[in-house]
Amino acid sequence: GAGVSQSPSNKVTEKGKDVELRCDPISGHTALYWYRQSLGQGLEFLIYFQGNSAPDKSGLPSDRFSAERTGGSVSTLTIQRTQQEDSAVYLCASSSATSGRAVETQYFGPGTRLLVL
Amino acid sequence: AQSVAQPEDQVNVAEGNPLTVKCTYSVSGNPYLFWYVQYPNRGLQFLLKYITGDNLVKGSYGFEAEFNKSQTSFHLKKPSALVSDSALYFCAVRDAGSARQLTFGSGTQLTVLP
Repeated sequence: GAGVSQSPSNKVTEKGKDVELRCDPISGHTALYWYRQSLGQGLEFLIYFQGNSAPDKSGLPSDRFSAERTGGSVSTLTIQRTQQEDSAVYLCASSSATSGRAVETQYFGPGTRLLVL
Repeated sequence: AQSVAQPEDQVNVAEGNPLTVKCTYSVSGNPYLFWYVQYPNRGLQFLLKYITGDNLVKGSYGFEAEFNKSQTSFHLKKPSALVSDSALYFCAVRDAGSARQLTFGSGTQLTVLP
């Protein structure tokens, strides 16, 4: 079946502009994660959605970053007033875990490469 | 807190030789351990995971990894390397008793020489 998809694949923006990155998880997956991959920081967790529960926002680096997940499916990561240090690859992952003790595998999308000029 | 260390930024191996990519971890509880591979301009692709049970885990493309609790390690191995195995490899950990997000190592670039 289809994997995790992300759009756009590449985004170039000017410092100070807002950007929106989209993630379509695997159909039926209840958990959705956003990570950021940058040269200096490696892969870092940003935010996690599980079903209708409140998201875990503990990885968001500043209040310029926010994310939502509508209808338990598609998610949008928004970065306001972008800065050059926001340049990175933003990866989305989804998994089929429900609450409880299941240990799910996270499946990743191809990422969105963001460049802030 | 959970953390992962991949002590080698780069590993070179000749085609046909065995390969090992090292990973050590730190968690406060029981670990769930994962290996992912990333090809250029692609997302992360799942290789294998350790949850519990047999310490030797077999995964995709002939890869396997051995969980060693006393050494807190989870090294990735393959008996015979292929040129097509050349890629960036990430080890990740999750504490069984805590949040679901993964903590990743810094990655190891594997180059298999023909």
